[in-house]
Amino acid sequence: AQSVAQPEDQVKVAEGNPLTVKCTYSVSGNPYLFWYVQYPNRGLQFLLKYITGDNLVKGSYGFEAEFNKSQTSFHLKKPSALVSDSALYFCAVRDLMNTGFQKLVFGTGTRLLVSP
Amino acid sequence: SAVISQKPSRDICQRGTSLTIQCQVDSQVTMMFWYRQQPGQSLTLIATANQGSEATYESGFVIDKFPISRPNLTFSTLTVSNMSPEDSSIYLCSVHPTGGMSEKLFFGSGTQLSVL
Repeated sequence: AQSVAQPEDQVKVAEGNPLTVKCTYSVSGNPYLFWYVQYPNRGLQFLLKYITGDNLVKGSYGFEAEFNKSQTSFHLKKPSALVSDSALYFCAVRDLMNTGFQKLVFGTGTRLLVSP
Repeated sequence: SAVISQKPSRDICQRGTSLTIQCQVDSQVTMMFWYRQQPGQSLTLIATANQGSEATYESGFVIDKFPISRPNLTFSTLTVSNMSPEDSSIYLCSVHPTGGMSEKLFFGSGTQLSVL
């Protein structure tokens, strides 16, 4: 089965500094990778995805992620953090179910705290 | 895109009772997914609901505990039956507008359930 791991429960950065939220994956075949963000009392929102092509993927709100096949990583990055970026971030990977349908498997989440 | 209305947004229930969560989408979608997000944990897929067929449940989830209805292409319900405090979680509905898993999932805002 496909899986992703987020090694950090929490990441703290100061506003204006670059941020990185880490994700590593374990898949058979080509990975379909996603990042989602969850703001307080709200559902998940899509940030970006990697399917194929350029290893650097640009997404919403100035976020980007770098796909690294040799390190099996898909870290989320932003050059300059904002206080409003404080939220819970989930890495996810596509997986195939026994029925042939597809689903998303999520990591444990990383809470990002951006201080003023 | 897809706009998902999920209700109730939160509820406090007594042990042994049941709660039905509704998910309404503003467009017709083939697949709808129900996830559970336990406190401090990641999202876990409960089941996949396709219109006109029985829901497909993930390992560890059974129909008697989480019956699902999918009467048409825009609506689904998830019932949490015979609740216990361990069922206290956020329950999220999500959809796949295009059906292709290379595309993103859209999520409802979630139902925060507390069982006393």
